[in-house]
Amino acid sequence: AQSVSQHNHHVILSEAASLELGCNYSYGGTVNLFWYVQYPGQHLQLLLKYFSGDPLVKGIKGFEAEFIKSKFSFNLRKPSVQWSDTAEYFCAVRNTGGFKTIFGAGTRLFVKA
Amino acid sequence: EAGVAQSPRYKIIEKRQSVAFWCNPISGHATLYWYQQILGQGPKLLIQFQNNGVVDDSQLPKDRFSAERLKGVDSTLKIQPAKLEDSAVYLCASTLEASGYEQYFGPGTRLTVT
Repeated sequence: AQSVSQHNHHVILSEAASLELGCNYSYGGTVNLFWYVQYPGQHLQLLLKYFSGDPLVKGIKGFEAEFIKSKFSFNLRKPSVQWSDTAEYFCAVRNTGGFKTIFGAGTRLFVKA
Repeated sequence: EAGVAQSPRYKIIEKRQSVAFWCNPISGHATLYWYQQILGQGPKLLIQFQNNGVVDDSQLPKDRFSAERLKGVDSTLKIQPAKLEDSAVYLCASTLEASGYEQYFGPGTRLTVT
């Protein structure tokens, strides 16, 4: 069965530190990949997505993610985090042969000012 | 552009009672999803509609959960009877497929079953 694993459930960083959140999925076919973010008190919203082409995708607020097909990974990165990046981050995978999008369990990021 | 609307925002019920949630997706979005998000977990798809037809309801506990999408717009999700383990946030999302399957989420309904 298709699954999505996010390696870290909780991450605490100081401002200006670099961020990398891991995401691995299990599905052998073609996939669409997403990172969603939920800021405190707000709705889930899209941070970035990958469909095809350049495996390095850039999203809002300086985030980027790299799709490594051979590793079934789609890790999220940001070179320098800010206090306002405190949020919960969800990786999601949609297989193009079906209709379902599977979400990971999420990573709670807390950035200390 | 108005977002996905959900109501109520919070609901507390006793086990064995029934409850209903309502969702109004973004205008023009043909695909509508209901997710259950238990504390500490990611959203889990319960049911997906394409217009007013069901695309996937494989994870919907059909003995107690039901959902409908009348006229391909609004949707309701019902639980009858509720169990303690149904305590969760119920999220509604919609998609305009032409935009690349990005899902737009509503604020969710936080259900507590006591």
